[in-house]
Amino acid sequence: NAGVTQTPKFRVLKTGQSMTLLCAQDMNHEYMYWYRQDPGMGLRLIHYSVGEGTTAKGEVPDGYNVSRLKKQNFLLGLESAAPSQTSVYFCASSYLDKNYEQYFGPGTRLTVT
Amino acid sequence: AQKITQTQPGMFVQEKEAVTLDCTYDTSDPSYGLFWYKQPSSGEMIFLIYQGSYDQQNATEGRYSLNFQKARKSANLVISASQLGDSAMYFCAMREGRQAGTALIFGKGTTLSVSS
Repeated sequence: NAGVTQTPKFRVLKTGQSMTLLCAQDMNHEYMYWYRQDPGMGLRLIHYSVGEGTTAKGEVPDGYNVSRLKKQNFLLGLESAAPSQTSVYFCASSYLDKNYEQYFGPGTRLTVT
Repeated sequence: AQKITQTQPGMFVQEKEAVTLDCTYDTSDPSYGLFWYKQPSSGEMIFLIYQGSYDQQNATEGRYSLNFQKARKSANLVISASQLGDSAMYFCAMREGRQAGTALIFGKGTTLSVSS
């Protein structure tokens, strides 16, 4: 059981470049989330998905797009990267459980120059 | 207004001592859940403990306990018998409502340093 995995672990982009972050979970979780973590800001929700084929905006969605074509995968896209998107990105997933505990991936450190 | 407030940017404690990390929350929803996560320097987020708004008793998980004071809207984490490995950033988070898909709202975190 790998849990939640994220690809890549590190990435450096130039302003204007695009990229896709991949999140995969093998726990058959319905719900998946993308957060970003900036120094002194805690984690903030970018987008989330409550099931295959459905996505919704979170607190800071601008500049990002997402897709959930398969239940186990949740992709986060940056179409035209900006230095303000330099951050650590965390994917999480959760099961329909009374605690609704979210399981986090190891994070992706993205730098946009 | 902030939904989750952690007022202690940093806390220092000696090994084997107990430490309390503060968390206050703000919600008008009667149904909510409160979580604590640990983030060591390696960066991963580790779930520690959960408290539901309707739970009658304070949650406990090993050396971790959650001091839940509903009227004060506080959910402090108590770590008993601190260990060097407890040095990390600690985040308090809240889920509002009953829907399982609701995302978490995080506080800004408290850095805990444990010394020998």
